Amino acid sequence: DTGVSQDPRHKITKRGQNVTFRCDPISEHNRLYWYRQTLGQGPEFLTYFQNEAQLEKSRLLSDRFSAERPKGSFSTLEIQRTEQGDSAMYLCASSREGSGSYEQYFGPGTRLTVT
Amino acid sequence: EDKVVQSPLSLVVHEGDTVTLNCSYEVTNFRSLLWYKQEKKAPTFLFMLTSSGIEKKSGRLSSILDKKELSSILNITATQTGDSAIYLCAVTSGTYKYIFGTGTRLKVLA
Repeated sequence: DTGVSQDPRHKITKRGQNVTFRCDPISEHNRLYWYRQTLGQGPEFLTYFQNEAQLEKSRLLSDRFSAERPKGSFSTLEIQRTEQGDSAMYLCASSREGSGSYEQYFGPGTRLTVT
Repeated sequence: EDKVVQSPLSLVVHEGDTVTLNCSYEVTNFRSLLWYKQEKKAPTFLFMLTSSGIEKKSGRLSSILDKKELSSILNITATQTGDSAIYLCAVTSGTYKYIFGTGTRLKVLA
């Protein structure tokens, strides 16, 4: 399977715990995005990487959220001291710069439930 | 602030009906408008519209971009139950910023 993969697919955690999600983009894609989606809403932008550089981070992202993309390949999104309001689907997407298309390919998402 | 607004929020139709979904936007540095279909999983790409490609068609689905009105429509003809999904509209601002609307939830009854 050469699509975008995310791990885990589901995560249940207690409030106050830290969680980390992983995203593996399509191998030739140098752009990687993280989104959060809650019920009834469209994906909300969290952060963007071009290669290993994090070029933009949403103002909505508190300092409990951090993302990395070492070596410009896979990416991790960590949420520290989780709160119930963090419960959502976390989507990763990738695209290729210079492809002439703005099409993003989405992974299956990680559904986080904070109890 | 950049924003994308979709209407209606939800729609229920019967098989065979034709539906029109709307997307309007206010963004700086518009580059493209994309339509996605989302079932119980991640969004899947349908169309991309730009200044150089304002109309796209694939089977029963078609989409038009109106740059003057800052809007787009997605038409689905002869709807089927398999068309039931959330349809998302996204607009790119600059080279990498994507702004999504809240989506239109379509339910097609047999």
